[in-house]
Amino acid sequence: TQLLEQSPQFLSIQEGENLTVYCNSSSVFSSLQWYRQEPGEGPVLLVTVVTGGEVKKLKRLTFQFGDARKDSSLHITAAQPGDTGLYLCAGDRGYQKVTFGTGTKLQVIP
Amino acid sequence: GAGVSQSPSNKVTEKGKDVELRCDPISGHTALYWYRQSLGQGLEFLIYFQGNSAPDKSGLPSDRFSAERTGGSVSTLTIQRTQQEDSAVYLCASSFGSGANVLTFGAGSRLTVL
Repeated sequence: TQLLEQSPQFLSIQEGENLTVYCNSSSVFSSLQWYRQEPGEGPVLLVTVVTGGEVKKLKRLTFQFGDARKDSSLHITAAQPGDTGLYLCAGDRGYQKVTFGTGTKLQVIP
Repeated sequence: GAGVSQSPSNKVTEKGKDVELRCDPISGHTALYWYRQSLGQGLEFLIYFQGNSAPDKSGLPSDRFSAERTGGSVSTLTIQRTQQEDSAVYLCASSFGSGANVLTFGAGSRLTVL
């Protein structure tokens, strides 16, 4: 059973377009993280959201944690080719292991 | 060390051979994870170590897979009698294991079984 479902699974867009990636679960998490992975490397943390309803901005990336702490979204404004990669959400329930989402593969075409 | 170190970075082996993959976590991190990733796919959880607790082995795909963590630090993932479907990148990550549980990943070990 996959606790964290991401959508879409694949996304190919033109440079300059906006996009949103969703991460949904029926479970409540104490925090949720977003990672980005580039080819040949391990995933790297982008952000951690902790409070229900929290919104965090990282340059052109906006992250939101749902009010009930069960879901999250990642919005990218004016996507750049450097945004290309695999985006992973991960839920943390304290002293239990972190659970990763199914992943969203983003390709930004110049 | 400054980051999570994995070795070897690449391993090519013949079907039926045993392989060992090593992970050196960040000093002081009590939690250690192993994941498997097939080309372009998401992360498949394998095993989780947290301090002195019994490891969570629920993700190991078969009894050919095993892992140990010695002295709460270095971990070794062993695959016995490798099969072609074992070909993948094996990623290790570590964290402090509490609070906002942020994982730091190694660069992975790419395993190719011929």
